[in-house]
Amino acid sequence: QSVLTQPPSASGTPGQRVTISCSGGSGFYYVYWYQQLPGTAPQLLISRNNQRASGVPDRFSGSRSGTSASLAISGLRSEDEGDYYCAAWDDRLGGRYVFGTGTKVTVL
Amino acid sequence: QVQVQESGPGLVKPSETLSLTCSVAGDSVSNLNYYWTWIRQPPGRGLEWIAFLYNTGTTSYNPSLMSRLTTSAGTSRNQFSLKLNSVTAADTAVYYCARVLSGTYSIDLWGQGTLVTVSS
Repeated sequence: QSVLTQPPSASGTPGQRVTISCSGGSGFYYVYWYQQLPGTAPQLLISRNNQRASGVPDRFSGSRSGTSASLAISGLRSEDEGDYYCAAWDDRLGGRYVFGTGTKVTVL
Repeated sequence: QVQVQESGPGLVKPSETLSLTCSVAGDSVSNLNYYWTWIRQPPGRGLEWIAFLYNTGTTSYNPSLMSRLTTSAGTSRNQFSLKLNSVTAADTAVYYCARVLSGTYSIDLWGQGTLVTVSS
């Protein structure tokens, strides 16, 4: 059971802005975001709360505030439809890497 | 261009050992710029971290799997492996190997994944 909670779904029309939250308790310093398009392996979007990975368009942005983090997708496109996961290293209980529960983004 | 690729049996019987190998093309698992990791995803479900293999030779394991897990660098400089024993149907998943940027937990290069089904 993940300690990082995400909304199960989010949606928007093309061009809109969609925001996905990732909520967890204390013990997390950096949050990472991954995109998993249908039938493919995940890929890194955001590193260390807000650093876009190489090749990721600036439509994707990450932020962190307290025990929560957010991923924003602006100018939503049909090719953004897929699952999005936050992740973090949890220092508690000896340390482990945890993924969020995942959010399915639908482009209407 | 560096690539990682999982290989191993697609079907494992309950109570037996799941064994997978990750082959790294274009790099070495001893590269100090990277760690290596295993992650799995049950069909239709979310991602679950399994283990990190650090470039110091040490490992971190998911506490929920630790008692059944072994990971190691392979005898080849560009392979590492995963062994999960006493498997049950709950271990059925797509298993991914991936690369992690050293000093961070950025998983920046993923294999395509391999489906392992646990069934008699």
